[in-house]
Amino acid sequence: GAVVSQHPSRVICKSGTSVKIECRSLDFQATTMFWYRQFPKQSLMLMATSNEGSKATYEQGVEKDKFLINHASLTLSTLTVTSAHPEDSSFYICSVWGPYEQYFGPGTRLTVT
Amino acid sequence: AQTVTQSQPEMSVQEAETVTLSCTYDTSENNYYLFWYKQPPSRQMILVIRQEAYKQQNATENRFSVNFQKAAKSFSLKISDSQLGDTAMYFCAFMKHSGGSNYKLTFGKGTLLTVNP
Repeated sequence: GAVVSQHPSRVICKSGTSVKIECRSLDFQATTMFWYRQFPKQSLMLMATSNEGSKATYEQGVEKDKFLINHASLTLSTLTVTSAHPEDSSFYICSVWGPYEQYFGPGTRLTVT
Repeated sequence: AQTVTQSQPEMSVQEAETVTLSCTYDTSENNYYLFWYKQPPSRQMILVIRQEAYKQQNATENRFSVNFQKAAKSFSLKISDSQLGDTAMYFCAFMKHSGGSNYKLTFGKGTLLTVNP
């Protein structure tokens, strides 16, 4: 199966700044990646579907100008949280669609102070 | 739209015993996949088991097995010989068999399973 990494694993940023999270597919060429958000003790909420070489498809209620997604290559997708606010603090998880299932990254904990 | 319901927010089981986690779903699709994912305290999502809706035979992976009832739209997970390492949040998930790039997962709210020594 696909091995997926995320960087950084933890990040703290100040309110109003932007932060970028990388998702890499280490051994699989991923045409489709997904970005999720997970609040404590809750389920995963799909934010957007990222397709290589095209614009991401955002789920209803997700601000595309706030959560910028770029999928410029078959092994890398990035999520940039722009003008971060404390309510953006969360656990962000990416996944890769591989054969027959999604493979998940280890997640990134974002804290906005 | 698909919905996935896990009616047990928390469960506990003694080590070496058997436990069953329930999951029901609602869909008008005929072809789809169902999954159980495990999220231990590390928060890494791990696939436990997968079931294709067109297959009548229930999927099995070592100590993990499912009871897939398509007509009832039920997909329960049985864990046999529970181990301390099975302590985790378990999510049931649905995916349409639509092809293309639309392989989105719909997750249930999860069941927190604690295995006690």
